[in-house]
Amino acid sequence: GAVVSQHPSWVICKSGTSVKIECRSLDFQATTMFWYRQFPKQSLMLMATSNEGSKATYEQGVEKDKFLINHASLTLSTLTVTSAHPEDSSFYICSARVSGQYTGELFFGEGSRLTVL
Amino acid sequence: DAKTTQPNSMESNEEEPVHLPCNHSTISGTDYIHWYRQLPSQGPEYVIHGLTSNVNNRMASLAIAEDRKSSTLILHRATLRDAAVYYCILRDPSDYKLSFGAGTTVTVRA
Repeated sequence: GAVVSQHPSWVICKSGTSVKIECRSLDFQATTMFWYRQFPKQSLMLMATSNEGSKATYEQGVEKDKFLINHASLTLSTLTVTSAHPEDSSFYICSARVSGQYTGELFFGEGSRLTVL
Repeated sequence: DAKTTQPNSMESNEEEPVHLPCNHSTISGTDYIHWYRQLPSQGPEYVIHGLTSNVNNRMASLAIAEDRKSSTLILHRATLRDAAVYYCILRDPSDYKLSFGAGTTVTVRA
């Protein structure tokens, strides 16, 4: 089956630094990827839609200058949390669909846990 | 977006069936009914989806009411590895975004 991999699985950083999280589709091409954020004991919240070769589309209330998304290839999207603060500590999850197919299924990465000190 | 309503939690014994209900009274004619589950500290995992007819796969069965205003995910024989949060999500086939609600937390007793 299709595999989506995220890196790193967990990261701890100091307040004010920037952190980059990678999302890769390992065995398929993904024109579109999605980034979610999940706080403890809460559901997933969609942050943005990442489109290969174009600008990401952000959901209402998500700061595009704080959460930079780049989708430079059909297998890689990156999320950079800029000037991270403790309130950005969360579980970040990406998902992807197989380009050119409607299988009805989205494939999710294993998530990246960010802790900002 | 059409919304879904699920019970907060359900408990089951190992090797017994689990029936997870989902109400979606405002579903549109083109919305697919999707189910995903999320194990602790992992990303969600696709379970099953359907439009009008009941569906079966190796993980579960999906029973859809005739009026499509509700559906039930059936885990035929629960195992400890089925303990997870199960999300019922409506999706327009033209839009790949998924909007997650609170889901149902399934606990499986040994």
